[in-house]
Amino acid sequence: SQTIHQWPATLVQPVGSPLSLECTVEGTSNPNLYWYRQAAGRGLQLLFYSVGIGQISSEVPQNLSASRPQDRQFILSSKKLLLSDSGFYLCAWSVQGNTEAFFGQGTRLTVV
Amino acid sequence: LAKTTQPISMDSYEGQEVNITCSHNNIATNDYITWYQQFPSQGPRFIIQGYKTKVTNEVASLFIPADRKSSTLSLPRVSLSDTAVYYCLVGDGGNFNKFYFGSGTKLNVKP
Repeated sequence: SQTIHQWPATLVQPVGSPLSLECTVEGTSNPNLYWYRQAAGRGLQLLFYSVGIGQISSEVPQNLSASRPQDRQFILSSKKLLLSDSGFYLCAWSVQGNTEAFFGQGTRLTVV
Repeated sequence: LAKTTQPISMDSYEGQEVNITCSHNNIATNDYITWYQQFPSQGPRFIIQGYKTKVTNEVASLFIPADRKSSTLSLPRVSLSDTAVYYCLVGDGGNFNKFYFGSGTKLNVKP
């Protein structure tokens, strides 16, 4: 069966510090991968999606970046965090052409 | 890209049937309609998907009229554990590579 792992579950980082969130998927090949952010009490904002290794599409201009070094690994990064980067970050995957997405457990990021 | 509009919140009582309607006036011919459920501090979970008429699974039913400009998620006999945010999504013109979530509908089930 397919599983998605996302870590860490919670993170507190100072303003200006770097960020690296990792997500891995098991049990499937060539998945579409996604990073979302959810501010408190708000809906999900699509940040990045990837249809293959090295193929990253950005939805919202910001100080975040994403990389896909391996087929089932998706990394969200920042060189310098801002207070506004605080939120709940979710990684997800889907089968290409399918409308069902599977989400990880999320990372609660607080920038202080 | 078809935009969706849902009520911000709804209240219900245990045992009642709940209907949440989503408006998507600009839906494209090859767009599917998908609903997700999200509990606090968790990722959304797929509930149901449909293209037209009615779809039913073990969790919910989805009603889509002939013009497909709206859809209604029906939850039978809700319980307290159904308290969650429900999102309606419309496929990106047949490109299922991207999923856009709106603000969703916060369903509050009361005892």
